[in-house]
Amino acid sequence: DTGVSQNPRHKITKRGQNVTFRCDPISEHNRLYWYRQTLGQGPEFLTYFQNEAQLEKSRLLSDRFSAERPKGSFSTLEIQRTEQGDSAMYLCASSENSPYSFGSGTRLTVV
Amino acid sequence: AQTVTQSQPEMSVQEAETVTLSCTYDTSESDYYLFWYKQPPSRQMILVIRQEAYKQQNATENRFSVNFQKAAKSFSLKISDSQLGDAAMYFCAYRSNAGGTSYGKLTFGQGTILTVHP
Repeated sequence: DTGVSQNPRHKITKRGQNVTFRCDPISEHNRLYWYRQTLGQGPEFLTYFQNEAQLEKSRLLSDRFSAERPKGSFSTLEIQRTEQGDSAMYLCASSENSPYSFGSGTRLTVV
Repeated sequence: AQTVTQSQPEMSVQEAETVTLSCTYDTSESDYYLFWYKQPPSRQMILVIRQEAYKQQNATENRFSVNFQKAAKSFSLKISDSQLGDAAMYFCAYRSNAGGTSYGKLTFGQGTILTVHP
């Protein structure tokens, strides 16, 4: 069990650029979650996969955001045309049953 | 929709003393889980303790215990014999056990920063 891995750890991008983050869950976990955490706040749910199926998307996930989990393994979260308000920590978590295992997150800074 | 409120943005405690972090929540459901997570600076979030709503007995994990008041919708965390390594942001979180497409989704509070003084 190597834990949930997220890459990159940090990303600085210019406003308007596209970015993609990757999450590798614990191998036997079929559920994968993405959360966004702004400074000093609790994480907010973005989206959830069970295997390769995306079962729920938050209203926070605008049409500039897209997430995939091909073959039910790793997942990617893409943000198109980034805005300064997208600056946050993006957390990935996986579970088979409660509780979650969280990754260390990807910190995005949009300048 | 469920909400979780942590009314203490910051708390501090002396090493070896006891501190209690507060959490209230709002839900119309009867079957759910409550969690306390710890997030050290620049490190990943880890589970401290969890409570199943249908269990009346308060959960305990070593120095960590909860006071779960279901009717009052209150879920506080007590840390006994505080250690320097307990310093972190603590989050209270709610998870419905109702199943469906939202299964497993956590709703977090705003967090409480805990400082431990030597």
